[in-house]
Amino acid sequence: QVQLQESGPGLVKPSQTLSLTCTVSGGSISSGGYYWSWIRQHPGKGLEWIGYIYYSGSTYYNPSLKSRVTISVDTSKNQFSLKLSSVTAADTAVYYCARVLAAAGTRWFDPWGQGTLVTVSS
Amino acid sequence: DIQMTQSPSSLSASVGDRVTITCRASQSISSYLNWYQQKPGKAPKLLIYAASSLQSGVPSRFSGSGSGTDFTLTISSLQPEDFATYYCQQSYSTAFTFGPGTKVDIK
Repeated sequence: QVQLQESGPGLVKPSQTLSLTCTVSGGSISSGGYYWSWIRQHPGKGLEWIGYIYYSGSTYYNPSLKSRVTISVDTSKNQFSLKLSSVTAADTAVYYCARVLAAAGTRWFDPWGQGTLVTVSS
Repeated sequence: DIQMTQSPSSLSASVGDRVTITCRASQSISSYLNWYQQKPGKAPKLLIYAASSLQSGVPSRFSGSGSGTDFTLTISSLQPEDFATYYCQQSYSTAFTFGPGTKVDIK
């Protein structure tokens, strides 16, 4: 059973780069067939998809965040990572990683990590 | 971007009630619509994918229907563990988007 776990600093200063890592267990990222995604949720708000990556390194980003986002994968560690540059208080959120499954042309997120709160503050 | 709306934004219901939540897309998304349940402090959990396919392990009281722009999530008989927030999500476009959520609480 695949499980995902986010890790990284819980506090980031404005204008700096937010960096998070998602460790996948119970399955191999490099086995293929799945994308791996980041999603965030502002406090008390809805869900916002950030982007996803394939084990080969192919990436797709939310156009609203594309200029500041980089998602990378390290198959040797079975991890994928998120970098979000030039952060402001508006980037304060719970960040989730999730696996992307696909069938019949549609794609969905399952499972999800437990989430990690990142606060942007000086 | 494809915009997703949900109605109602919140509802109060009793155990045993039939509950219906509606999700509408700003353009046709075929059946590329998924539903998630989120409880406070927890990650979302997949309930329904491809508009009407029940995720393994999810109780059969949950069902989904619709295609094009209008979709529904139905809980046939609300149970205490179903009080949560429900989100729809489209994957028709590469830029996935979620609905704003529907909070189901106890009447």
